[in-house]
Amino acid sequence: AQSVTQLGSHVSVSEGALVLLRCNYSSSVPPYLFWYVQYPNQGLQLLLKYTSAATLVKGINGFEAEFKKSETSFHLTKPSAHMSDAAEYFCAVTNYNTDKLIFGTGTRLQVFP
Amino acid sequence: KAGVTQTPRYLIKTRGQQVTLSCSPISGHRSVSWYQQTPGQGLQFLFEYFSETQRNKGNFPGRFSGRQFSNSRSEMNVSTLELGDSALYLCASRGLAVNTGELFFGEGSRLTVL
Repeated sequence: AQSVTQLGSHVSVSEGALVLLRCNYSSSVPPYLFWYVQYPNQGLQLLLKYTSAATLVKGINGFEAEFKKSETSFHLTKPSAHMSDAAEYFCAVTNYNTDKLIFGTGTRLQVFP
Repeated sequence: KAGVTQTPRYLIKTRGQQVTLSCSPISGHRSVSWYQQTPGQGLQFLFEYFSETQRNKGNFPGRFSGRQFSNSRSEMNVSTLELGDSALYLCASRGLAVNTGELFFGEGSRLTVL
């Protein structure tokens, strides 16, 4: 069975600081991994995805994530936080055997001025 | 092109009632998934439909059901509502690359059960 674990349900950073949101996955076959963002009162929007090509994936709004098989991780980073980055972020996993996308429990990012 | 449209956006029901939520996917998308989002449980997969057939199902009781029409529009129904069914119900569609393809989400239907 597949799963993802997001460490830290809440993360707070200052504007301009590094953003690091952690995601670890469990999958018996090579995974496809995704990061989604949800702004208040909205649905989820795809930030980036890893589908077995380059291990460093760049997404929208300056975010990127690195797939590390040895650590079973897919952490999301952004060098400099902006106030508009405040939202909830979800890591998700699937694979070529299934089309069910499994989400983590989410990390709420707060950005302080 | 138009995004995923969910109706209604907000609704209030009482225990024991039933509710039907509607989802219109992006034009050309044949796969529609439903998720329940609550503060305590996060995003939980309900079911997925493809070409009018349920392809995957999550671990929800039989009170939760869905269907998909020939135009790919989907509905989900919850019967005999319980207080714990209060949640944001999200619908998502995707194109042919169902494993690696992006899920496009609607803004959700927020259900409150009193």
